[in-house]
Amino acid sequence: EAAVTQSPRNKVAVTGGKVTLSCNQTNNHNNMYWYRQDTGHGLRLIHYSYGAGSTEKGDIPDGYKASRPSQENFSLILELATPSQTSVYFCASGEGGAEQYFGPGTRLTVL
Amino acid sequence: TQTVSQSDAHVTVFEGDSVELRCNYSYGGSIYLSWYIQHHGRGLQFLLKYYSGNPVVQGVNGFKAEFSKSDSSFHLRKASVHWSDSAVYFCAVSDVTNAYKVIFGKGTHLHVLP
Repeated sequence: EAAVTQSPRNKVAVTGGKVTLSCNQTNNHNNMYWYRQDTGHGLRLIHYSYGAGSTEKGDIPDGYKASRPSQENFSLILELATPSQTSVYFCASGEGGAEQYFGPGTRLTVL
Repeated sequence: TQTVSQSDAHVTVFEGDSVELRCNYSYGGSIYLSWYIQHHGRGLQFLLKYYSGNPVVQGVNGFKAEFSKSDSSFHLRKASVHWSDSAVYFCAVSDVTNAYKVIFGKGTHLHVLP
């Protein structure tokens, strides 16, 4: 079954540390997305990608980098994690048209 | 600027009741409209989408939504809810000319009581 998977599902990091969140999709979609979800803010787009080798800034890219080494994989990188980046992160894939398929989420806590 | 408004943060109904979850949007061009469901601790799950044609769109599990251009609305309805429908529901809009980007509403938390 086509799916979007994320790893790890839970992560505790220290301030200033490097964190990498990974996402894999078997939908063969060109577009992939990283969002964070926080109470009171809803879903906010961090980075997205049109295909392998491309990354684009979303609405809140500061403090985050992204990498799309292949059609299937899209990573979110926090080079210097801060407590304000404590959140639930969702990866999604899609072909546009307001139809996206989401992973189960990664709960990140930065101490 | 595209906006999506879900006026009700919480809706509470009894099992077997009908429900309507409201969504209003603000955008002048051609758009896609969609609904998603998020159960507690899970990712969002796509329910249905509208672009053109029949303004009533059927989704999974008995959900349907109706597009109204005059009201700028895309309300989600279900005739008879089940306790398992308890979740947060998100309305979303995407510009046809820039379809990669999706604007999500704040969500409506549906509570279904036994």
